[in-house]
Amino acid sequence: TQLLEQSPQFLSIQEGENLTVYCNSSSVFSSLQWYRQEPGEGPVLLVTVVTGGEVKKLKRLTFQFGDARKDSSLHITAAQPGDTGLYLCAGARDKLVFGAGTILRVKS
Amino acid sequence: NAGVTQTPKFRILKIGQSMTLQCTQDMNHNYMYWYRQDPGMGLKLIYYSVGAGITDKGEVPNGYNVSRSTTEDFPLRLELAAPSQTSVYFCASSYGSGGSNQPQHFGDGTRLSIL
Repeated sequence: TQLLEQSPQFLSIQEGENLTVYCNSSSVFSSLQWYRQEPGEGPVLLVTVVTGGEVKKLKRLTFQFGDARKDSSLHITAAQPGDTGLYLCAGARDKLVFGAGTILRVKS
Repeated sequence: NAGVTQTPKFRILKIGQSMTLQCTQDMNHNYMYWYRQDPGMGLKLIYYSVGAGITDKGEVPNGYNVSRSTTEDFPLRLELAAPSQTSVYFCASSYGSGGSNQPQHFGDGTRLSIL
């Protein structure tokens, strides 16, 4: 049983489409981190959200932390092939707990 | 900047063999971690260390051992390799603890197959 549930597990879309990835839990986290991982490499931090209701933008990526600090979402506007990769959310408690990840494939 | 360096990148072992996965970081981070990544399962914490001389078990420690004699190095030892240990192993380090807001910095992984 995953403490952090990510959905969807896999997403294949055309270039220019929008998408949202969800990260849900019944537990409260002190913060929520989003990582992106490319094949053959380790995860790289995209953003950390700390405050309930917080919204952070990174170019075409918008991250939101739920008001109760139990869930988060990642929205990508006008996806590009370069966005292809594995997206991982990770919740901070005494240790960092990772979701199973969402594999995103953007076709040109 | 080197960051977190893992060696080897790939390895094939026979059942029952042992090996050490090496990890070194040059960021002077106190916290270091070992994870395994299996398809559809995310990253599972094997062991972690909060500083030289201090290690503790994570979620899936069975079949593994670690040591932390210096701040820079955090090797992971597999004794009596089993097929269930076939996975991709990631080492990470951070300035603050896993419960803090500090990011973890990952190496590029070691892909290990046990046959």
